[in-house]
Amino acid sequence: AQSVTQLGSHVSVSEGALVLLRCNYSSSVPPYLFWYVQYPNQGLQLLLKYTSAATLVKGINGFEAEFKKSETSFHLTKPSAHMSDAAEYFCAVTGGGNDMRFGAGTRLTVKP
Amino acid sequence: DAGITQSPRYKITETGRQVTLMCHQTWSHSYMFWYRQDLGHGLRLIYYSAAADITDKGEVPDGYVVSRSKTENFPLTLESATRSQTSVYFCASSELGRETQYFGPGTRLLVL
Repeated sequence: AQSVTQLGSHVSVSEGALVLLRCNYSSSVPPYLFWYVQYPNQGLQLLLKYTSAATLVKGINGFEAEFKKSETSFHLTKPSAHMSDAAEYFCAVTGGGNDMRFGAGTRLTVKP
Repeated sequence: DAGITQSPRYKITETGRQVTLMCHQTWSHSYMFWYRQDLGHGLRLIYYSAAADITDKGEVPDGYVVSRSKTENFPLTLESATRSQTSVYFCASSELGRETQYFGPGTRLLVL
């Protein structure tokens, strides 16, 4: 079965600094990969997804992620953090089946 | 445009009671999913459904029952609630199994 590992349960950055949230995946078939964001007391919202087209994927709110097959990674980046980016971020993968597997999540804190 | 809704949003119950969480979507998506979210575990799939009258187990199905008599509804029942089922429950839907899932706002369940 497919799985993802998010490195770092908490990441803290200063406003204006680079955001880097790490995700590594495992899948026996070409994966579809997703990043979701969750704000307090809300459901998950899609940030971006990779479905075997371009390896560099741009999402909402200035986020992007790069699919690297050789490293089995799909790290999420944003050049300049805003206070409004503070949230929990989840990486997820679907393989050959219909079930999506999520990472444990990374809580992003943005300091003024 | 209601999207996907869950009810109740908050529920307190006692050990041994039966509880049903409701999920309704207005997009006519084929796939619907139930997840539970617990600290340190991210989201774990309980059950999913590919169409009306078709359901399948996810990672953590024990103690839960689902049904899907209509495309738009996917209720989750805890037949005899246990304290370990205290969690936040999210319903999601998608047009295709491997594709983007759209999440409801969640139900916070406390089992005393």
